Amino acid sequence: DIQMTQSPSSLSASVGDRVTITCRASQGILNDLGWYQQKPGKAPKRLIYAASSLQSGVPSRFSGSGSGTEFTLTISSLQPEDFATYYCLQHNSYPWTFGQGTKVEIK
Amino acid sequence: EVQLVQSGAEVKKPGESLKISCKGSGYSFTIYWIGWVRQMPGKGLEWMGIIYPGDSDTRYSPSFQGQVTISADKSISTAYLQWSSLKASDTAMYFCARADGYAFHIWGQGTMVTVSS
Repeated sequence: DIQMTQSPSSLSASVGDRVTITCRASQGILNDLGWYQQKPGKAPKRLIYAASSLQSGVPSRFSGSGSGTEFTLTISSLQPEDFATYYCLQHNSYPWTFGQGTKVEIK
Repeated sequence: EVQLVQSGAEVKKPGESLKISCKGSGYSFTIYWIGWVRQMPGKGLEWMGIIYPGDSDTRYSPSFQGQVTISADKSISTAYLQWSSLKASDTAMYFCARADGYAFHIWGQGTMVTVSS
């Protein structure tokens, strides 16, 4: 199985801050990675697909980069509605695997 | 509108069986993979498995193989997740989600399963 190591597990940030979250794959997955945002009691929402493509309707302050084994999700200027938990998901090979999640909290 | 609608919350006792559902609408059900994701209380997302309703090709995570059964009835555009003997550790929220070639995009609202004596 491909292991996805996500970091940090949590972070505190202020509105307007730049935030970066990283996922490392235990083996190369090309660009077969998505980023998801989940708010309490809700289903996850896809923000980024194919590692760097912005999902339609998602604000441009979200961006993704990387290929192979290293991937990042960046929020360029954190907004109040961005406080949530973020997950990466690799779909290069079965079983698909999620990162452990990053909870973004208000400082 | 493309959507997945899941069955309602369940409260069961250990050892009981259960089948929860996920009904797709607004698209051709048979040509998109549908997966299941577990989220235990206060924990992260876990990929359980996925099915192609067109031919019922199914893949499981080793962590869930033999513990659950994923199936689909394309005649009613519905995917299922079932247990033959529930355990307290099966208490969780379960999401179904449609894959579009870039992993999951459309998600159901989730079904909460509580297993308690």
